[in-house]
Amino acid sequence: GEDVEQSLFLSVREGDSSVINCTYTDSSSTYLYWYKQEPGAGLQLLTYIFSNMDMKQDQRLTVLLNKKDKHLSLRIADTQTGDSAIYFCAESISGGSYIPTFGRGTSLIVHP
Amino acid sequence: EAGVAQSPRYKIIEKRQSVAFWCNPISGHATLYWYQQILGQGPKLLIQFQNNGVVDDSQLPKDRFSAERLKGVDSTLKIQPAKLEDSAVYLCASIGQGSSPLHFGNGTRLTVT
Repeated sequence: GEDVEQSLFLSVREGDSSVINCTYTDSSSTYLYWYKQEPGAGLQLLTYIFSNMDMKQDQRLTVLLNKKDKHLSLRIADTQTGDSAIYFCAESISGGSYIPTFGRGTSLIVHP
Repeated sequence: EAGVAQSPRYKIIEKRQSVAFWCNPISGHATLYWYQQILGQGPKLLIQFQNNGVVDDSQLPKDRFSAERLKGVDSTLKIQPAKLEDSAVYLCASIGQGSSPLHFGNGTRLTVT
C-alpha cells in the first residue's frame, strides 16, 4: 500500500478553516512536508516540520504532528479562493538521502 | 534566488518517438531529483543525483529512460522510445546541503499520442 495516505478531496466555504489530514507509515521519518500544487505548476513548499516537533505555525498555516499515530495535519485559517489547489503531504527519512515520498494529494476546493 | 528551471514546458510526441527534458537546479544545489507525476497521483521518484553521480535509480525504467548530469549542474532526462503510459508531468527538484527541503521546477508536461 501507499506509504503516505491522504483523502482525495476537501470542499470548504470561503472564510472557513480547512484541515487536510495525512498518515504515514515510516516511524523513522525525520521531516514531514506540505506542498501546494496549482494547475500547471510545480510543487511549492508551504511548510515543513521536524519529527521532534508537535506543532508549527506560520501565518494562516498550522501543522500538527502526532508521532504516536503517525498523523500529520495542515490547517488553513480563513481559507480563500486562492487556496484552491492540490496539497501533498510528504515524508523523508534521515540517513543522508532525504528522498521525500509523496501522498496522492488532497484537492482543496474553496467555494464562495 | 532563482528557482529550478525546466524546459520545455510542454511536449507532445507520438509513441515510439524519443524526447528529452532539461533541468537546471538552484545554484549550488548538489542533489538533483527527477520525479514522474501521472495525472491524479503524487510525484514518484525516478532518479536522484549527488553532484554528477547517481545515488538512486531503482525506480527508473532503464530499458527506455536514461538520465545524466555530466558536470554536476544541469541534467537531462530522456525517454526512448516513448509509450502512451509515459504521459505525465516530469518534475525536477534540487536540494542544498543538510536538511533544507526540496525545491521543484514547474515541470514538463509530456503527452504521448
